[in-house]
Amino acid sequence: DTAVSQTPKYLVTQMGNDKSIKCEQNLGHDTMYWYKQDSKKFLKIMFSYNNKELIINETVPNRFSPKSPDKAHLNLHINSLELGDSAVYFCASSPDRLYNEQFFGPGTRLTVL
Amino acid sequence: SQELEQSPQSLIVQEGKNLTINCTSSKTLYGLYWYKQKYGEGLIFLMMLQKGGEEKSHEKITAKLDEKKQQSSLHITASQPSHAGIYLCGADFSGSARQLTFGSGTQLTVLP
Repeated sequence: DTAVSQTPKYLVTQMGNDKSIKCEQNLGHDTMYWYKQDSKKFLKIMFSYNNKELIINETVPNRFSPKSPDKAHLNLHINSLELGDSAVYFCASSPDRLYNEQFFGPGTRLTVL
Repeated sequence: SQELEQSPQSLIVQEGKNLTINCTSSKTLYGLYWYKQKYGEGLIFLMMLQKGGEEKSHEKITAKLDEKKQQSSLHITASQPSHAGIYLCGADFSGSARQLTFGSGTQLTVLP
């Protein structure tokens, strides 16, 4: 009965590779997010989708491409991975109402060697 | 984020002690969210404040938002080892609650 799930939990890969992280929510929420948490625990939003449409796109390299096949899924694809991409990536979702909490997934720890 | 400052960066307390974590914004907040993160896990929602002067409590945790809606504090009474983790405040500057700006977090350690 996991609310927001992410796969994989850990991802170790070489520089230059392409990788994807998947996210699914079973809460019926309309909005989904991707966050990046760096080594200093600073959490920064990357993207937000509402009903499969991109609504927030922060200053993120275009090597990062989110894809939302349906309202319950928001995947993150990263091309040509760089050392600086190493971080924990969190997916989250929220209902489409004002002042609502966001529900976070467990995170994916990406290590680029 | 420089828009949102959180202090202290880390805190070590003895079990049973009270503690306070602060979150200060450079702009007026539409909403302020408190989350807790345990090591290796996602964020867990604690409380949300939106009205000036508002105060909410859950078990031994109390959060307040000042009248000007630019500063919030999280207070834990009689801390326990289960309170250990990283506490993050998230600010809604837009009013939509879709884009939260997070503080840098406070690492709390509670010694038994």
